[in-house]
Amino acid sequence: NAGVTQTPKFQVLKTGQSMTLQCAQDMNHEYMSWYRQDPGMGLRLIHYSVGAGITDQGEVPNGYNVSRSTTEDFPLRLLSAAPSQTSVYFCASSARDPIGGYTFGSGTRLTVV
Amino acid sequence: AQSVTQLGSHVSVSEGALVLLRCNYSSSVPPYLFWYVQYPNQGLQLLLKYTSAATLVKGINGFEAEFKKSETSFHLTKPSAHMSDAAEYFCAVSNRGGSQGNLIFGKGTKLSVKP
Repeated sequence: NAGVTQTPKFQVLKTGQSMTLQCAQDMNHEYMSWYRQDPGMGLRLIHYSVGAGITDQGEVPNGYNVSRSTTEDFPLRLLSAAPSQTSVYFCASSARDPIGGYTFGSGTRLTVV
Repeated sequence: AQSVTQLGSHVSVSEGALVLLRCNYSSSVPPYLFWYVQYPNQGLQLLLKYTSAATLVKGINGFEAEFKKSETSFHLTKPSAHMSDAAEYFCAVSNRGGSQGNLIFGKGTKLSVKP
């Protein structure tokens, strides 16, 4: 099925470890983004990309790194995990004009201990 | 900068009662507006969207929303609540593409439906 695929679905990390959350879309969408969801905070934008080779920071970028080498993939890297990064992470994509809406992945639930 | 305010972090209604979830936005340009629903431990599902075609927008599961530019509002309604409507609802705003096409969310409203 076409859409946004996130892996893994669940992950437990120890403080200081690094990892990469994967996000891939097969809709040829130019725009991709990463959000984190925390209780009472809604979804907050971490990083986004408007096309291959172009990335920018969102509202809460500290501790995260991204790259966009292809249109399809937009991985999110945690450089040195901290308990404050315990959250649910969502990847989303849309066409350059989001008139058709944004498509979300199913999420990654990350726990940092 | 764009922002979204959802009034009421929790709303409780009886089954069969009207559902009204409030959303106000700020945007310097005519925006796109979205309502998403999230059931427990699931991802986000698009309920409906406003993209300037019609101010009254109908979505899935009997929900609708009306865009009121003068009030900068996009409230979500459903005439008769069902137990299966219990979920968290998010209002979101986006500019119309380009590098400013980020989707900005409100903090969400958790809807409870009492039997």
